[in-house]
Amino acid sequence: EVQLLESGGGLVQPGGSLRLSCAASGFTFSDYAMNWVRQAPGKGLEWVSSIIYNGGSTYYADSVMGRFTISRNNFKSTMSLQMNSLRAEDTAVYYCVKGDQGVDFWGQGTLVTVSS
Amino acid sequence: QTVVTQEPSLTVSPGGTVTLTCASSTGAVTNGHSPNWFQQKPGQPPRALIYSTSNTHSWTPARFSGSLLGGKAALTLSGVQPEDEADYYCLLHYGGPRVFGGGTKLTVL
Repeated sequence: EVQLLESGGGLVQPGGSLRLSCAASGFTFSDYAMNWVRQAPGKGLEWVSSIIYNGGSTYYADSVMGRFTISRNNFKSTMSLQMNSLRAEDTAVYYCVKGDQGVDFWGQGTLVTVSS
Repeated sequence: QTVVTQEPSLTVSPGGTVTLTCASSTGAVTNGHSPNWFQQKPGQPPRALIYSTSNTHSWTPARFSGSLLGGKAALTLSGVQPEDEADYYCLLHYGGPRVFGGGTKLTVL
């Protein structure tokens, strides 16, 4: 059974930093691209970042470029999102999502709140 | 900045058929955009329905199908059930970056 478990969310002040993690199980992690997708309260889905199966290429939405960094550890089957210079508009539930052309599994999400 | 557009809301009667569409500001949607479709109900994470335009996952009900229609990606629900009331999102690939549509709120009434 595929499981994606996000952690690391919480309350942070504007300008602060936070690191999200995703622990994956139930599939061969090193075979798949992984993604972060977020959803602000009451809003739609927003793609944030993707990383290919071996970490060799990464992609970012314009809204987070230069502030967020995605990474993965295929030995530990984990993915991370380092978020710096956080803004109020980064407040959202962040989902860990498996897949590239075929996106299939989503985690339950972790809430990030940016507020003073 | 690329924008992906979906109908904000649609209403369908139980047992009816409805088609949701997904358009790209860059031009016609093609198989190269690998359209994916997701269903989201309140308080739940999204659930994948369709990938690569028309491929279904093992859990996708047979009444859901995907296609390209008039330069857009399309999701068709045939024989709509009350439990299909939800938000639906498309996702398009642009060679590396991806973009979600704004979502369609489907009401079954």
